[in-house]
Amino acid sequence: GAVVSQHPSRVICKSGTSVKIECRSLDFQATTMFWYRQFPKQSLMLMATSNEGSKATYEQGVEKDKFLINHASLTLSTLTVTSAHPEDSSFYICSAREVSSQHEQFFGPGTRLTVL
Amino acid sequence: RKEVEQDPGPFNVPEGATVAFNCTYSNSASQSFFWYRQDCRKEPKLLMSVYSSGNEDGRFTAQLNRASQYISLLIRDSKLSDSATYLCVVNPSGGSYIPTFGRGTSLIVHP
Repeated sequence: GAVVSQHPSRVICKSGTSVKIECRSLDFQATTMFWYRQFPKQSLMLMATSNEGSKATYEQGVEKDKFLINHASLTLSTLTVTSAHPEDSSFYICSAREVSSQHEQFFGPGTRLTVL
Repeated sequence: RKEVEQDPGPFNVPEGATVAFNCTYSNSASQSFFWYRQDCRKEPKLLMSVYSSGNEDGRFTAQLNRASQYISLLIRDSKLSDSATYLCVVNPSGGSYIPTFGRGTSLIVHP
């Protein structure tokens, strides 16, 4: 299957700092990328849908000014958690979908964020 | 009613058992369906797509019942390595195709 990478895999930061997470589709072009958050023992929660060259669409309850998404190319989307707080500590996962696919998604390995 | 519902389990079965999960969806116009597997502290991985006619991949069989709006996953001859959370994913019709995930069903296969 297609490969999606995510960087960094783990990050620990102080409260108030900003953290950028990168999501790359390595062997295909992804016009759409999704950003999810998953708290321990809970289900995946869709945060936003990112379309190349346009503004991201955020799910209800997700602050767009806090979670900045940029999808500047067909292979890269970034999520920046601004002014992170301990409650932002979570597992952030991106996924990418190839235009020609049967709408299946390929997930990155996730980024575990811990805010102290 | 939630868009996609799954029994969270856990389903606790012995090795070699056959186990089945169901997933119901509310949008009758949903277009595509998938089962993903997620191991603890890992990302979801595609297990199989679900086709209208039903499909099989080794010990795994997926079926779609559009009339009753559910999909199912059957695992035969369970292995210890099948222990994981199984996520049902439904893609709606329309241009956005924003997928909806179920909460997942936890499977524990014990010796």
